[in-house]
Amino acid sequence: EPEVTQTPSHQVTQMGQEVILRCVPISNHLYFYWYRQILGQKVEFLVSFYNNEISEKSEIFDDQFSVERPDGSNFTLKIRSTKLEDSAMYFCASSVTPRDQGYTFGSGTRLTVV
Amino acid sequence: AQKITQTQPGMFVQEKEAVTLDCTYDTSDPSYGLFWYKQPSSGEMIFLIYQGSYDQQNATEGRYSLNFQKARKSANLVISASQLGDSAMYFCAMREGGSEKLVFGKGTKLTVNP
Repeated sequence: EPEVTQTPSHQVTQMGQEVILRCVPISNHLYFYWYRQILGQKVEFLVSFYNNEISEKSEIFDDQFSVERPDGSNFTLKIRSTKLEDSAMYFCASSVTPRDQGYTFGSGTRLTVV
Repeated sequence: AQKITQTQPGMFVQEKEAVTLDCTYDTSDPSYGLFWYKQPSSGEMIFLIYQGSYDQQNATEGRYSLNFQKARKSANLVISASQLGDSAMYFCAMREGGSEKLVFGKGTKLTVNP
């Protein structure tokens, strides 16, 4: 069964450092998403991406965050200068369309900022 | 105002029994979709079931069924014949018609006892 792949599974970074989280969405999917889940809390939407553009973003997704699809397969989330409060599980997801009932999530990257 | 409310922080059920996890939602959009995801202790988000606002029948997927009561704005998940492997966090989520994002509830931790 096709899956969304995220790397690394766990990343530890120093406060103030830049970090890039990587995702390989399902190959025929056209819409890509990032969500985050702070430990013990609910899953929160960050951004959606379609046709090489951000199509929707939340208030969490400020200037410190950016997304990119650098080639035909990868989808990345960059945090420019990490803060302690960025520590969370970050999930990538993809779908064929935004009305698609089949949002597929990756296994997540646990980011720890120290 | 919360869009998705899950009032049960934790639930316990005996193996082989059925359990209902509650979810209520709030939207004025006539077109929306409702989702349930399972998050085991390993952290990944696993799609379980989907219900569209215009669907006439309640969704079912194997041992999972969604008790959709539109007038009450509730979308409870019913798990029949619980198994030990069903122990996990369960999240209800909604996508409104004009948006690409999923809005999640705070989750219910289900524990299945042998």
